[in-house]
Amino acid sequence: DTGVSQDPRHKITKRGQNVTFRCDPISEHNRLYWYRQTLGQGPEFLTYFQNEAQLEKSRLLSDRFSAERPKGSFSTLEIQRTEQGDSAMYLCASSSPKSWEQFFGPGTRLTVL
Amino acid sequence: GQQLNQSPQSMFIQEGEDVSMNCTSSSIFNTWLWYKQDPGEGPVLLIALYKAGELTSNGRLTAQFGITRKDSFLNISASIPSDVGIYFCAGPSDDKIIFGKGTRLHILP
Repeated sequence: DTGVSQDPRHKITKRGQNVTFRCDPISEHNRLYWYRQTLGQGPEFLTYFQNEAQLEKSRLLSDRFSAERPKGSFSTLEIQRTEQGDSAMYLCASSSPKSWEQFFGPGTRLTVL
Repeated sequence: GQQLNQSPQSMFIQEGEDVSMNCTSSSIFNTWLWYKQDPGEGPVLLIALYKAGELTSNGRLTAQFGITRKDSFLNISASIPSDVGIYFCAGPSDDKIIFGKGTRLHILP
């Protein structure tokens, strides 16, 4: 199966620690998206890349959040100085440039204690 | 900004029943997407719709792109236990996709 993969699936951290998540998109997709999802809500857009270029960032992406896609393949999302409010499911999705059909990974569940 | 409103928020049905849910927007969409999410997993794309009035099926699922382009509908026929989950509608807004809050489907034993 060559779908979108995310690592780790679960992360528990203490408040104030930094965490980094990884996403590997479907290989032929050059668009990669990050979303955050909290209980009872749909996924909320954070940022997206076309190849290695980060083209849009949501207001939800505070300065403690940074995302990279250095070679236009996998992407990382880092959260610095985590807060309890950062606890959520972080989802990655990818798509081809001519389609709105986004395919999601299984997500990384972050719990900040 | 654009918002998608899904109805109902949750449904409790008996196995074998048909299910209908809808999604509305205050503005026009050119594409509608329907996803299903199981607990602890990412959403899975079920159906994509591209034209007003379009009716598309995927097995027991049928979705329709409303003719006003401000709504979409998802029907599930003869529900089975594995249909349990949260169903999200989504549509493009600028360069990203926005999601509704979902319809949670429960099947009573």
